Amino acid sequence: SAVISQKPSRDICQRGTSLTIQCQVDSQVTMMFWYRQQPGQSLTLIATANQGSEATYESGFVIDKFPISRPNLTFSTLTVSNMSPEDSSIYLCSVEASTGTGGGQYFGPGTRLTVT
Amino acid sequence: KQEVTQIPAALSVPEGENLVLNCSFTDSAIYNLQWFRQDPGKGLTSLLLIQSSQREQTSGRLNASLDKSSGRSTLYIAASQPGDSATYLCAVRAGYKLSFGAGTTVTVRA
Repeated sequence: SAVISQKPSRDICQRGTSLTIQCQVDSQVTMMFWYRQQPGQSLTLIATANQGSEATYESGFVIDKFPISRPNLTFSTLTVSNMSPEDSSIYLCSVEASTGTGGGQYFGPGTRLTVT
Repeated sequence: KQEVTQIPAALSVPEGENLVLNCSFTDSAIYNLQWFRQDPGKGLTSLLLIQSSQREQTSGRLNASLDKSSGRSTLYIAASQPGDSATYLCAVRAGYKLSFGAGTTVTVRA
């Protein structure tokens, strides 16, 4: 399985500011995913990021609020813009395992965001 | 829309007891099903991946079964230990998307 790292691991931010979260993978992957986990909730997919194309956003998530970059096959960023306390969540990136391993997804350690 | 339900929501058992965690899903047209473990405030660790054509997968003390036609999966953890205390999440994949259940929070008492 891929080794995934995220930066920062946690942050406390003021409302109205923006935070960019980085996700680095130790191998080249086609698809990267960004999820949000609000307190006490399960995971919700924000968007899918493919290298060389715009991210595909799920219903309820928009590019202006959650811009995503995918400059190469091992790296992606998610920005949480104009934050409010409702954005306090754990943000996780994940990748699909390489072909031949049955298509499992593997997750980074997450970024714990608190907005005050 | 795929709906994934996990029962029970929480479970507390004494050390050594076997654990049985249930997951059900509404749309049987899945590609695979994955069980994850999540420790408080942390990311997800993949435990077992079952393809839609498989009936079960085993890894050490963990065994997961899949009955796709009835939309059910069960995760068994044998001889539980305090270190097994965590939230266990079930996720089903259709296309490239994972749909998650709300999880079962397990506490194993020493």
